[in-house]
Amino acid sequence: QVQLVQSGAEVRKPGSSVKVSCQASGGTFSNYAITWLRQAPGQGLEWMGCIIPILETAHYAQNFQDRVTITAGESPSTAYMELSSLRFDDTALYYCARALTHGVIDSWGQGTLVTVSS
Amino acid sequence: AIQLTQSPSSLSASVGDRVTITCRASQGITSALAWYQQKPGKGPKLLIYDASNLESGVPSRFSGSGYVTDFTLTISSLQPEDFATYYCQQFNSYPLTFGGGTRVEIK
Repeated sequence: QVQLVQSGAEVRKPGSSVKVSCQASGGTFSNYAITWLRQAPGQGLEWMGCIIPILETAHYAQNFQDRVTITAGESPSTAYMELSSLRFDDTALYYCARALTHGVIDSWGQGTLVTVSS
Repeated sequence: AIQLTQSPSSLSASVGDRVTITCRASQGITSALAWYQQKPGKGPKLLIYDASNLESGVPSRFSGSGYVTDFTLTISSLQPEDFATYYCQQFNSYPLTFGGGTRVEIK
């Protein structure tokens, strides 16, 4: 069973950027979609986007289209998500996930809390 | 984007109860639906995929059914460890979307 371990909590000011990493152990992202989601405090799950390295494709939610970049690391076990132009309402728990290429998510990271505060 | 409407948004039930949660899609998604369980402070866990297929290791008291626009998740006999929030998710088309969640609480 693959485990996804994410980088630690971050605090950022409005207008800045944040980059969160995700490391897979016991498996890789090869042949899967690297997926990022977020969950605002007390709210539901929001899909942000995914990349499928083997297909060289990327899909992003319209809400984040111009602000989010998902990348795969040089190792097939590493992934990143960068969110720019941060706003107060970007404060949330951000999840890295591994999905089958059609979209079923079979593994989740522990979440990284990103707080946007002045 | 395809919208998923879950109902109820919360419910109270007792151990041993049969619980049913519904998920309705705003357009047809054939059987491209998954169900996840999330406990407080944890990431979600896959329960059901392709509307009715049980993920390996998930207890058989969980079952899913439905097709096209109307789907259900059933817990046949609620156990103490099942008190959590449940989400449906469609993977018929991008952007992938989730239902608003159903919180299952102890009566």
